[in-house]
Amino acid sequence: ELKVEQNPLFLSMQEGKNYTIYCNYSTTSDRLYWYRQDPGKSLESLFVLLSNGAVKQEGRLMASLDTKARLSTLHITAAVHDLSATYFCAVGADGLTFGKGTHLIIQP
Amino acid sequence: EAGVAQSPRYKIIEKRQSVAFWCNPISGHATLYWYQQILGQGPKLLIQFQNNGVVDDSQLPKDRFSAERLKGVDSTLKIQPAKLEDSAVYLCASSRGQGVFSGANVLTFGAGSRLTVL
Repeated sequence: ELKVEQNPLFLSMQEGKNYTIYCNYSTTSDRLYWYRQDPGKSLESLFVLLSNGAVKQEGRLMASLDTKARLSTLHITAAVHDLSATYFCAVGADGLTFGKGTHLIIQP
Repeated sequence: EAGVAQSPRYKIIEKRQSVAFWCNPISGHATLYWYQQILGQGPKLLIQFQNNGVVDDSQLPKDRFSAERLKGVDSTLKIQPAKLEDSAVYLCASSRGQGVFSGANVLTFGAGSRLTVL
Protein backbone atom coordinates (compact mmCIF):
# COMPACT_ATOMS: atom_id res chain seq x y z
CA GLU A 1 0.00 0.00 0.00
CA LEU A 2 1.37 3.38 -1.02
CA LYS A 3 1.94 5.74 1.91
CA VAL A 4 2.66 9.44 1.58
CA GLU A 5 4.01 11.33 4.56
CA GLN A 6 4.46 15.06 4.85
CA ASN A 7 6.29 17.05 7.45
CA PRO A 8 5.79 19.26 9.14
CA LEU A 9 2.00 18.99 9.36
CA PHE A 10 1.76 22.48 10.78
CA LEU A 11 4.07 25.41 10.20
CA SER A 12 3.87 28.98 11.40
CA MET A 13 6.47 31.33 10.03
CA GLN A 14 7.14 34.99 9.56
CA GLU A 15 7.08 36.89 6.33
CA GLY A 16 10.44 37.10 4.65
CA LYS A 17 11.70 33.76 5.97
CA ASN A 18 12.59 30.65 3.99
CA TYR A 19 11.34 27.18 4.74
CA THR A 20 11.01 23.70 3.25
CA ILE A 21 8.15 21.19 3.35
CA TYR A 22 9.08 17.52 2.92
CA CYS A 23 7.13 14.74 1.26
CA ASN A 24 8.21 11.09 1.55
CA TYR A 25 6.48 8.21 -0.18
CA SER A 26 6.78 4.49 0.28
CA THR A 27 6.85 2.92 -3.18
CA THR A 28 8.56 3.71 -6.43
CA SER A 29 6.92 6.47 -8.41
CA ASP A 30 8.20 8.96 -10.94
CA ARG A 31 5.16 11.20 -10.75
CA LEU A 32 4.62 13.57 -7.90
CA TYR A 33 2.13 16.42 -7.60
CA TRP A 34 1.82 19.40 -5.31
CA TYR A 35 -1.57 20.99 -4.62
CA ARG A 36 -2.65 24.02 -2.64
CA GLN A 37 -5.89 24.29 -0.70
CA ASP A 38 -7.24 27.52 0.80
CA PRO A 39 -9.71 27.28 3.71
CA GLY A 40 -13.12 26.17 2.49
CA LYS A 41 -11.89 25.87 -1.08
CA SER A 42 -10.96 23.03 -3.36
CA LEU A 43 -7.51 21.87 -4.42
CA GLU A 44 -5.47 23.78 -6.96
CA SER A 45 -2.64 22.15 -8.88
CA LEU A 46 0.75 23.80 -8.29
CA PHE A 47 3.43 21.53 -9.69
CA VAL A 48 3.87 18.26 -11.52
CA LEU A 49 7.23 16.52 -11.19
CA LEU A 50 7.75 13.72 -13.67
CA SER A 51 11.33 12.52 -13.34
CA ASN A 52 14.24 12.17 -10.99
CA GLY A 53 15.92 15.51 -10.44
CA ALA A 54 12.95 17.49 -11.74
CA VAL A 55 12.70 21.02 -10.43
CA LYS A 56 9.82 23.40 -10.99
CA GLN A 57 9.52 27.01 -9.80
CA GLU A 58 6.66 29.44 -9.67
CA GLY A 59 7.21 32.73 -7.90
CA ARG A 60 8.38 32.08 -4.35
CA LEU A 61 7.71 28.34 -4.52
CA MET A 62 10.11 25.72 -5.84
CA ALA A 63 9.47 21.99 -5.91
CA SER A 64 11.97 19.20 -6.52
CA LEU A 65 11.90 15.44 -6.79
CA ASP A 66 14.42 12.75 -5.85
CA THR A 67 12.93 9.44 -6.91
CA LYS A 68 15.82 7.42 -5.52
CA ALA A 69 15.24 8.82 -2.04
CA ARG A 70 11.44 8.84 -2.64
CA LEU A 71 11.45 12.44 -1.49
CA SER A 72 10.03 15.69 -2.78
CA THR A 73 10.53 19.12 -1.28
CA LEU A 74 8.55 22.31 -1.57
CA HIS A 75 10.74 25.30 -0.77
CA ILE A 76 9.31 28.68 0.12
CA THR A 77 11.54 31.69 -0.40
CA ALA A 78 10.92 35.00 1.37
CA ALA A 79 7.43 33.99 2.45
CA VAL A 80 4.51 36.37 2.06
CA HIS A 81 1.10 36.24 3.76
CA ASP A 82 -0.67 35.25 0.52
CA LEU A 83 1.10 31.89 0.62
CA SER A 84 -0.80 30.90 3.76
CA ALA A 85 -2.70 27.71 2.84
CA THR A 86 -2.55 23.94 3.19
CA TYR A 87 -0.14 22.24 0.82
CA PHE A 88 -0.57 18.63 -0.23
CA CYS A 89 1.76 16.33 -2.07
CA ALA A 90 0.29 13.41 -3.97
CA VAL A 91 1.78 10.41 -5.70
CA GLY A 92 0.49 8.03 -8.31
CA ALA A 93 0.33 7.21 -11.97
CA ASP A 94 -3.44 7.59 -12.19
CA GLY A 95 -5.56 7.85 -9.04
CA LEU A 96 -3.50 9.90 -6.61
CA THR A 97 -2.62 9.12 -2.98
CA PHE A 98 -2.37 12.28 -0.92
CA GLY A 99 -0.39 13.16 2.17
CA LYS A 100 -2.12 14.66 5.20
CA GLY A 101 -1.11 18.15 4.17
CA THR A 102 1.03 20.90 5.66
CA HIS A 103 -0.98 23.71 7.17
CA LEU A 104 1.11 26.83 6.59
CA ILE A 105 0.49 30.13 8.34
CA ILE A 106 2.62 33.11 7.40
CA GLN A 107 2.47 35.97 9.83
CA PRO A 108 3.42 39.59 9.11
CA GLU B 1 -12.90 25.79 -20.09
CA ALA B 2 -15.61 25.25 -17.53
CA GLY B 3 -14.49 23.56 -14.34
CA VAL B 4 -15.76 20.50 -12.49
CA ALA B 5 -19.28 21.15 -11.24
CA GLN B 6 -20.62 19.61 -8.05
CA SER B 7 -23.89 19.83 -6.16
CA PRO B 8 -25.14 20.30 -3.58
CA ARG B 9 -22.42 22.37 -1.90
CA TYR B 10 -23.74 21.63 1.57
CA LYS B 11 -25.94 18.91 3.01
CA ILE B 12 -26.98 18.17 6.57
CA ILE B 13 -28.69 14.88 7.32
CA GLU B 14 -29.33 12.64 10.29
CA LYS B 15 -27.60 9.31 10.66
CA ARG B 16 -29.23 6.44 8.81
CA GLN B 17 -30.63 8.81 6.18
CA SER B 18 -29.47 8.74 2.59
CA VAL B 19 -27.77 11.40 0.46
CA ALA B 20 -26.63 11.75 -3.14
CA PHE B 21 -23.99 13.97 -4.68
CA TRP B 22 -23.71 14.90 -8.34
CA CYS B 23 -20.65 15.72 -10.43
CA ASN B 24 -20.22 17.01 -13.97
CA PRO B 25 -16.58 16.76 -15.11
CA ILE B 26 -14.67 18.93 -17.54
CA SER B 27 -15.79 18.25 -21.08
CA GLY B 28 -13.62 15.64 -22.74
CA HIS B 29 -12.13 14.29 -19.52
CA ALA B 30 -12.39 10.52 -19.66
CA THR B 31 -11.43 9.86 -16.06
CA LEU B 32 -13.53 10.84 -13.05
CA TYR B 33 -12.66 10.43 -9.39
CA TRP B 34 -14.53 10.73 -6.11
CA TYR B 35 -12.47 11.60 -3.06
CA GLN B 36 -13.46 11.89 0.59
CA GLN B 37 -11.73 14.58 2.64
CA ILE B 38 -12.26 14.44 6.39
CA LEU B 39 -11.48 17.64 8.25
CA GLY B 40 -7.75 18.03 8.78
CA GLN B 41 -6.78 15.19 6.47
CA GLY B 42 -5.76 14.71 2.88
CA PRO B 43 -8.24 13.53 0.27
CA LYS B 44 -8.79 9.77 0.11
CA LEU B 45 -9.73 8.14 -3.18
CA LEU B 46 -13.08 6.37 -3.06
CA ILE B 47 -13.65 5.42 -6.68
CA GLN B 48 -12.19 6.05 -10.11
CA PHE B 49 -14.04 5.75 -13.42
CA GLN B 50 -12.56 5.53 -16.89
CA ASN B 51 -15.40 6.59 -19.17
CA ASN B 52 -18.32 4.66 -17.62
CA GLY B 53 -16.28 1.75 -16.26
CA VAL B 54 -14.89 1.41 -12.73
CA VAL B 55 -11.09 1.32 -12.59
CA ASP B 56 -10.58 1.31 -8.81
CA ASP B 57 -13.13 1.11 -6.02
CA SER B 58 -10.95 -0.68 -3.48
CA GLN B 59 -11.47 1.98 -0.80
CA LEU B 60 -15.20 2.46 -1.33
CA PRO B 61 -17.27 1.15 1.62
CA LYS B 62 -19.58 -0.82 -0.60
CA ASP B 63 -22.03 -1.72 2.15
CA ARG B 64 -23.20 1.89 2.22
CA PHE B 65 -21.57 3.80 -0.65
CA SER B 66 -22.38 3.44 -4.32
CA ALA B 67 -21.42 5.41 -7.39
CA GLU B 68 -22.26 5.38 -11.04
CA ARG B 69 -21.23 7.23 -14.15
CA LEU B 70 -23.88 6.81 -16.77
CA LYS B 71 -22.91 7.49 -20.38
CA GLY B 72 -19.36 8.29 -19.29
CA VAL B 73 -20.09 11.89 -18.34
CA ASP B 74 -21.95 12.87 -15.13
CA SER B 75 -21.55 10.86 -11.98
CA THR B 76 -23.47 10.40 -8.74
CA LEU B 77 -22.19 9.22 -5.39
CA LYS B 78 -24.75 7.88 -2.92
CA ILE B 79 -24.51 7.08 0.76
CA GLN B 80 -27.19 4.93 2.35
CA PRO B 81 -27.46 4.72 5.31
CA ALA B 82 -25.17 7.51 6.47
CA LYS B 83 -23.06 7.23 9.60
CA LEU B 84 -21.59 9.97 11.76
CA GLU B 85 -18.10 9.19 10.43
CA ASP B 86 -19.24 9.98 6.89
CA SER B 87 -19.15 13.69 7.74
CA ALA B 88 -16.63 15.05 5.26
CA VAL B 89 -16.20 16.97 2.04
CA TYR B 90 -16.77 14.85 -1.04
CA LEU B 91 -14.58 16.02 -3.87
CA CYS B 92 -15.07 15.14 -7.49
CA ALA B 93 -12.12 15.43 -9.85
CA SER B 94 -11.56 14.73 -13.51
CA SER B 95 -8.60 14.31 -15.84
CA ARG B 96 -7.79 13.39 -19.40
CA GLY B 97 -6.48 10.12 -18.01
CA GLN B 98 -3.24 8.25 -18.26
CA GLY B 99 -2.24 7.16 -21.71
CA VAL B 100 -3.74 10.12 -23.51
CA PHE B 101 -0.80 12.30 -22.67
CA SER B 102 2.41 10.58 -21.64
CA GLY B 103 3.54 12.15 -18.42
CA ALA B 104 1.33 14.20 -16.18
CA ASN B 105 -2.17 13.19 -15.21
CA VAL B 106 -3.26 16.41 -13.53
CA LEU B 107 -6.53 16.13 -11.65
CA THR B 108 -8.84 19.14 -11.65
CA PHE B 109 -11.04 19.26 -8.58
CA GLY B 110 -14.52 20.63 -8.07
CA ALA B 111 -15.49 22.83 -5.14
CA GLY B 112 -16.74 19.84 -3.16
CA SER B 113 -19.91 18.84 -1.34
CA ARG B 114 -19.74 19.25 2.42
CA LEU B 115 -21.75 16.60 4.28
CA THR B 116 -22.64 16.85 7.96
CA VAL B 117 -24.23 13.79 9.56
CA LEU B 118 -25.96 14.45 12.89
